[in-house]
Amino acid sequence: ELKVEQNPLFLSMQEGKNYTIYCNYSTTSDRLYWYRQDPGKSLESLFVLLSNGAVKQEGRLMASLDTKARLSTLHITAAVHDLSATYFCAVDRDGGSQGNLIFGKGTKLSVKP
Amino acid sequence: DAGVIQSPRHEVTEMGQEVTLRCKPISGHNSLFWYRQTMMRGLELLIYFNNNVPIDDSGMPEDRFSAKMPNASFSTLKIQPSEPRDSAVYFCASSLIGVAPEQYFGPGTRLTVT
Repeated sequence: ELKVEQNPLFLSMQEGKNYTIYCNYSTTSDRLYWYRQDPGKSLESLFVLLSNGAVKQEGRLMASLDTKARLSTLHITAAVHDLSATYFCAVDRDGGSQGNLIFGKGTKLSVKP
Repeated sequence: DAGVIQSPRHEVTEMGQEVTLRCKPISGHNSLFWYRQTMMRGLELLIYFNNNVPIDDSGMPEDRFSAKMPNASFSTLKIQPSEPRDSAVYFCASSLIGVAPEQYFGPGTRLTVT
C-alpha cells in the first residue's frame, strides 16, 4: 500500500525554538513536495525536491530529501507566529508520469509567543 | 497568471439538490485534479485528467459524483443528488506534467449541504 506518513501530526512550539517535521513514504519516488495551508485557505507550494540529497531553504524553513531512506524533513529555525499553519508533504504516485500525488495527513503547527 | 480559478467559492444547498462546481486551470497546464478536504478524512483525490481525458476516478465516492473536462480550460464536478455528508471543501489543482511537477491549487469551494 502506498503511504505517506508525517510526524508529528500536531506541533505546538514557542517562538524562537527549532523543530523538525518528518515525512516518510513508501513509494520509490525521487521527488517530494511540501505545501503549506493556512486556516480556511488553499494549499500553497513551498518546496519541490527533485533528487536525492536535495536541500531547499526559504526564510526559516529548510527542506531536505533522502530518497534511500524515503525520508524528507522540514526544519523550522527560530519559529515565529507567522509560521503557524498546516504543512503537507506529498510524493509522486506513479513515478511522475501522470502528475498524481499522494499527500500525507498534514502537520498542524502552532507557534506561540 | 491568475492561477487556478474556482467557482462558486461558497455553496449552500439543500439535500437532494444538484450541485455543480467549476474550475479553470492555469493556462497551458495539461493535468487537472479534483480533491475533497474534510476534518475527518483529510485531503482526498477524487479524480484527475490528463490532456482532458479522465485517468483515474477511483476516488469518486459514488455514482452521485461525476466530473467532466470538455476542454483544456474548463472542468466541472457535479453532485446529484447532494447529501449532508458531501459537505466539504472541494479543491481543483492543475499541473504541467514533465516540466513543472508541482500542483497548483485553486482557492476551493466550500460546500454545505443541509
